[in-house]
Amino acid sequence: AQSVTQLDSHVSVSEGTPVLLRCNYSSSYSPSLFWYVQHPNKGLQLLLKYTSAATLVKGINGFEAEFKKSETSFHLTKPSAHMSDAAEYFCVVSDWDSGAGSYQLTFGKGTKLSVIP
Amino acid sequence: DGGITQSPKYLFRKEGQNVTLSCEQNLNHDAMYWYRQDPGQGLRLIYYSQIVNDFQKGDIAEGYSVSREKKESFPLTVTSAQKNPTAFYLCASSMGQADGYTFGSGTRLTVV
Repeated sequence: AQSVTQLDSHVSVSEGTPVLLRCNYSSSYSPSLFWYVQHPNKGLQLLLKYTSAATLVKGINGFEAEFKKSETSFHLTKPSAHMSDAAEYFCVVSDWDSGAGSYQLTFGKGTKLSVIP
Repeated sequence: DGGITQSPKYLFRKEGQNVTLSCEQNLNHDAMYWYRQDPGQGLRLIYYSQIVNDFQKGDIAEGYSVSREKKESFPLTVTSAQKNPTAFYLCASSMGQADGYTFGSGTRLTVV
């Protein structure tokens, strides 16, 4: 069975400083991994995805994530935080569920990012 | 532009009433999903459908029902059997594992 652990429920950074949102996963097969962002009362927007190609994945709005199989991690980073980055971020793993006979998504519980001016 | 449309954005329900949340997509995606979001709990899967006229229960299907009569549409009915329906509901669609999911903008349901 797959699982996702977002190690911090809340991260606070100053504007212009780096962002690190941590995510660990477990999976039985070869997963695809995603980061989504959600602004208040909005749907989820795809930031980036890893699908077994390059391990360093670049996404929108200057975010990137590195897939580290040995550490089962997929941490999200950004060199310099902007006020508009304040939102909730979800790490997601997609993997084959043999019981269901289909691919299934598992969501982390989310990390709320606050950006201090 | 292609996307997913959820309606209404806000919905109020009296105790004992059934309500139906709409989800329509024009992305030609085969799979569609309904999630419930509560503060601090992430997203939990209610129902999903891989093809027309077929759907499966997710982790928290009790008190909910769905239909998939058309590829574009996957409405969710919150029945009176759902004891705590107040939540934010998100619909999503996907073409496959590698593509990720496209989400609608959500419906906030409140029981009054």
